[in-house]
Amino acid sequence: SAVISQKPSRDICQRGTSLTIQCQVDSQVTMMFWYRQQPGQSLTLIATANQGSEATYESGFVIDKFPISRPNLTFSTLTVSNMSPEDSSIYLCSVWGTGLSYEQYFGPGTRLTVT
Amino acid sequence: AQKITQTQPGMFVQEKEAVTLDCTYDTSDQSYGLFWYKQPSSGEMIFLIYQGSYDEQNATEGRYSLNFQKARKSANLVISASQLGDSAMYFCAMREVQGGKLIFGQGTELSVKP
Repeated sequence: SAVISQKPSRDICQRGTSLTIQCQVDSQVTMMFWYRQQPGQSLTLIATANQGSEATYESGFVIDKFPISRPNLTFSTLTVSNMSPEDSSIYLCSVWGTGLSYEQYFGPGTRLTVT
Repeated sequence: AQKITQTQPGMFVQEKEAVTLDCTYDTSDQSYGLFWYKQPSSGEMIFLIYQGSYDEQNATEGRYSLNFQKARKSANLVISASQLGDSAMYFCAMREVQGGKLIFGQGTELSVKP
C-alpha cells in the first residue's frame, strides 16, 4: 500500500491569488496523478506527473493555470494559479500501489474555496 | 476513448439488505482494470474492489462483490447486508493498461435506511 499526505487539508483563498498544494508519498513511485473534484461532481484527472519530465495535462487543463512540479519520486506539488470561484474544488493526488499491486491510492484531498 | 457510465444518481436500500450499483464501461483496449471506490462525506477515496479484464472469476472483498460481465461491458458492485455506514458516494472507475489513467464515472449516492 501507499500512504499519501497532502498539505494544506483545506484553504480559503481570494480570487486572483495562487495556492500550492503539496503531496507526499511514503514510498517511491514513478507516476503521480492530480485530480479535481468540483462540488457534487466526479473526479476529473488534471495531469500525470513523472519524475524528471514535464507533466502531461488532460484536455481542458493547461500548465499556466495548473503548474506541477515533481522534484523526486516521493513528492509533487500542484499550483492553482490566478484563482476564481470556479476553482473551488477538492484537489486529490493519487499514486499506483507499489510492486505488483494494481491498487490506486488517493491522498485525503485539499478542499479549496475561492471567494 | 475510455468511458465509464453510472446511471443511478441515487439509491436507497434498507439496512441488512443487498444492493447493486450499476456501472458500464467502454474501451477499445483488451487489457484494463475496473475499480470501485467509496467516498464518505469526509471526502476521502476508499478503495473497495478491483477486477482485471482477464480475471475469469468475479472479484470479492468481504461484503463487496463485483458482477463482471465482459461481453456486456458491465461491472456492477454488489453490497451484501448493507450497514448504515455504507451510506456514501460510490464511484466506478477504469484504468487501461496502455494509458495508465484512472477514469471515473459520475457516481451513485447510496443511502442506507435503518
